[in-house]
Amino acid sequence: DTGVSQDPRHKITKRGQNVTFRCDPISEHNRLYWYRQTLGQGPEFLTYFQNEAQLEKSRLLSDRFSAERPKGSFSTLEIQRTEQGDSAMYLCASSWPLGARPGNTIYFGEGSWLTVV
Amino acid sequence: SQQGEEDPQALSIQEGENATMNCSYKTSINNLQWYRQNSGRGLVHLILIRSNEREKHSGRLRVTLDTSKKSSSLLITASRAADTASYFCATDARPQGGSEKLVFGKGTKLTVNP
Repeated sequence: DTGVSQDPRHKITKRGQNVTFRCDPISEHNRLYWYRQTLGQGPEFLTYFQNEAQLEKSRLLSDRFSAERPKGSFSTLEIQRTEQGDSAMYLCASSWPLGARPGNTIYFGEGSWLTVV
Repeated sequence: SQQGEEDPQALSIQEGENATMNCSYKTSINNLQWYRQNSGRGLVHLILIRSNEREKHSGRLRVTLDTSKKSSSLLITASRAADTASYFCATDARPQGGSEKLVFGKGTKLTVNP
């Protein structure tokens, strides 16, 4: 059973550098989400794709952040000119198409920890 | 912004006791879900309750939903040390027709002491 896969699991970078995270969703899911989570907080929504279309972006997603899902399968989240405040766990999740299953259960990966020093 | 607010923020109990966590939310929902997160790991879906349901069971889990009070509770019976984790409620962002995203609360950190 292949779940949501994220890479890398941990990344330490110097302030000002660019970082990129990759997410491979569950294969039959067409929806893909990115969330950010800081210590002691719940996940905060960043953006959402349906197939290759980015349908919703949070105001948390500043212009230094860009997410893509070029072929409707894997997705990348890039952070340019990283700042210390970007230190967090970046969670990817995926789900079935709307109406395919009751409710809207989403399945999370293990997350990618980012530390900006 | 986070819609759900869990209460208490932290809960410490002895193995075998029951654990109750509460969640309050602000707007109309289509359904409410509970997730579990072990330290430093991803979230795992536990249970979903629809807005027209009042109670749901899954193994040692019991969830209630009171839409008039905009609140839900998660009860874990006969707790085990392995239940130690953070528990989050999540609500869909739209009142009907499903939703594209879930909005999470800040979570309750549960510690079950052996």
